[in-house]
Amino acid sequence: NAGVTQTPKFQVLKTGQSMTLQCAQDMNHEYMSWYRQDPGMGLRLIHYSVGAGITDQGEVPNGYNVSRSTTEDFPLRLLSAAPSQTSVYFCASSYSSGTILTEAFFGQGTRLTVV
Amino acid sequence: AQTVTQSQPEMSVQEAETVTLSCTYDTSESDYYLFWYKQPPSRQMILVIRQEAYKQQNATENRFSVNFQKAAKSFSLKISDSQLGDAAMYFCAYRSVNTDKLIFGTGTRLQVFP
Repeated sequence: NAGVTQTPKFQVLKTGQSMTLQCAQDMNHEYMSWYRQDPGMGLRLIHYSVGAGITDQGEVPNGYNVSRSTTEDFPLRLLSAAPSQTSVYFCASSYSSGTILTEAFFGQGTRLTVV
Repeated sequence: AQTVTQSQPEMSVQEAETVTLSCTYDTSESDYYLFWYKQPPSRQMILVIRQEAYKQQNATENRFSVNFQKAAKSFSLKISDSQLGDAAMYFCAYRSVNTDKLIFGTGTRLQVFP
């Protein structure tokens, strides 16, 4: 069982370049989220999705786009990379069991450096 | 809006000893979930323990236990019989009911000395 898979694990971009961070889960979870982790700031929510075709903004959405065309995939797009987007990015998924929402399952993270 | 505060940027403990990591939170909700996540150098986020606010009993998972004080909005993590493998960043997180959005504290780096 692969769980939540993020690719790539490391990436270096030049300012202004665009790229997509991939996230896939094979657990049929309806909820998926993207977080960024910066030193001294914990993890902050960028975007999230409660199911295929449904996305919404989190705490720090500027400069990022998402889409959810399938249950399995939730890519995060950087439209024009900036040094302020240098961070570690985590994808997470969870599911509901009746009225209970399970804990989040996290991918291994992507370390992105924008120069 | 909810907030989570971890006031201890770093903590250290001797192997086999006990250490307590602090977490406080602010919310106007009556029902919610609280979590402790461990992040070792591998960067993987690992769930350590979870607590449902409606449960008065403190959660325990082997050597890990919490002291949940709902009125004081406090959620501390106690690690007993500390092991070298416990060395990691520990994050406290809050989640409202019926949402998967997590609100994290800034983390506590735990060092374990032999």
